[in-house]
Amino acid sequence: DTGVSQNPRHKITKRGQNVTFRCDPISEHNRLYWYRQTLGQGPEFLTYFQNEAQLEKSRLLSDRFSAERPKGSFSTLEIQRTEQGDSAMYLCASSPRQGQNSPLHFGNGTRLTVT
Amino acid sequence: AQTVTQSQPEMSVQEAETVTLSCTYDTSENNYYLFWYKQPPSRQMILVIRQEAYKQQNATENRFSVNFQKAAKSFSLKISDSQLGDTAMYFCAFMSYSGTYKYIFGTGTRLKVLA
Repeated sequence: DTGVSQNPRHKITKRGQNVTFRCDPISEHNRLYWYRQTLGQGPEFLTYFQNEAQLEKSRLLSDRFSAERPKGSFSTLEIQRTEQGDSAMYLCASSPRQGQNSPLHFGNGTRLTVT
Repeated sequence: AQTVTQSQPEMSVQEAETVTLSCTYDTSENNYYLFWYKQPPSRQMILVIRQEAYKQQNATENRFSVNFQKAAKSFSLKISDSQLGDTAMYFCAFMSYSGTYKYIFGTGTRLKVLA
């Protein structure tokens, strides 16, 4: 169990630029989640995959956000035309399908700063 | 829609003492799980304890235990013999497995254990 890996750890970008984050879940986990967390707040759900299928996407997300999990393994989260309000920690988590109460395993997150 | 409420933004406790963190939730579902997650400063989120809603017996994990009141939709966390390493943000989370396995988090309680 190598854990959930997220890259990069930090990203600083200028407003209007596009950014892409990567998440590598634990290998046998088929569920993958993206959350956004701002300082002092709880994780806010963005989207969720089961294998390669994106089963739910938050209505809070604008069309500037897109996520993929092309082969049911790693996932990418892209933000187009970044805005200062996008500055946050982006968390990825995974869980196995077996066991409905299997907890989420979180990565260390990618901290995005939009200047 | 499900919601999770943590009404205590910050708490402190003396080392070796006991502290209880509150959590309430709102749902019309019958099939769900509840979790407490811990997020130490600048570190990744980890599971503390979980509770299946269909079980009446409260979950315990060493110094951590919950008081699950299903009718009241309350799920509090008790930490006994508090240690300095318990200093962290604590998040209550809800997951319904009759839906899309989406985890909903509360806003968190910042706990500080005092020496």
